[in-house]
Amino acid sequence: SQTIHQWPATLVQPVGSPLSLECTVEGTSNPNLYWYRQAAGRGLQLLFYSVGIGQISSEVPQNLSASRPQDRQFILSSKKLLLSDSGFYLCAWRVPGFSGNTIYFGEGSWLTVV
Amino acid sequence: KQEVTQIPAALSVPEGENLVLNCSFTDSAIYNLQWFRQDPGKGLTSLLLIQSSQREQTSGRLNASLDKSSGRSTLYIAASQPGDSATYLCAVRPGGGSQGNLIFGKGTKLSVKP
Repeated sequence: SQTIHQWPATLVQPVGSPLSLECTVEGTSNPNLYWYRQAAGRGLQLLFYSVGIGQISSEVPQNLSASRPQDRQFILSSKKLLLSDSGFYLCAWRVPGFSGNTIYFGEGSWLTVV
Repeated sequence: KQEVTQIPAALSVPEGENLVLNCSFTDSAIYNLQWFRQDPGKGLTSLLLIQSSQREQTSGRLNASLDKSSGRSTLYIAASQPGDSATYLCAVRPGGGSQGNLIFGKGTKLSVKP
């Protein structure tokens, strides 16, 4: 069966510090991978998606970047965090044609920038 | 630009009641629509996915319908239980070859009282 793991689950970081959130998917190959952010009182916003190793598409300009060094690994990074980067970050995966193209989400990572 | 709206934002019902959650979207050119459940501080759990060619999907006590032409979907929960308390999110995948970028509503927070 397929599983998705995100870590760390919670993170408190000072303004200006770097960030690295990691996501891995098990039990599938060649997934599309996604990073979403859920800010308080707002809907989920797609930040990045990737259809393959080294292929990253950015949906919104921001202080963050993403990388996909391996097929089932997706990393969200920042060199210098801003207060506005606080939120709940969710990784997700989808395999085109699998399960009706359902998108599956991880458990999320809470980031508080102080 | 596709926009997804969920009404009501919050709903409180007594245990055992049947209930309907509403979702509307502005552009009927969608590939599919997905309903999710989110428990406080947790990731999203996929409940049902309806393809654009389908009218409804059922899973246990849940039934989701889709009227693409009018831009509406409903999630029907039969015989509600306190364990159904969560935020329910509706998301559409736009048509036109997108890579699975879901557009989310802000959710309906459901509370089922024992």
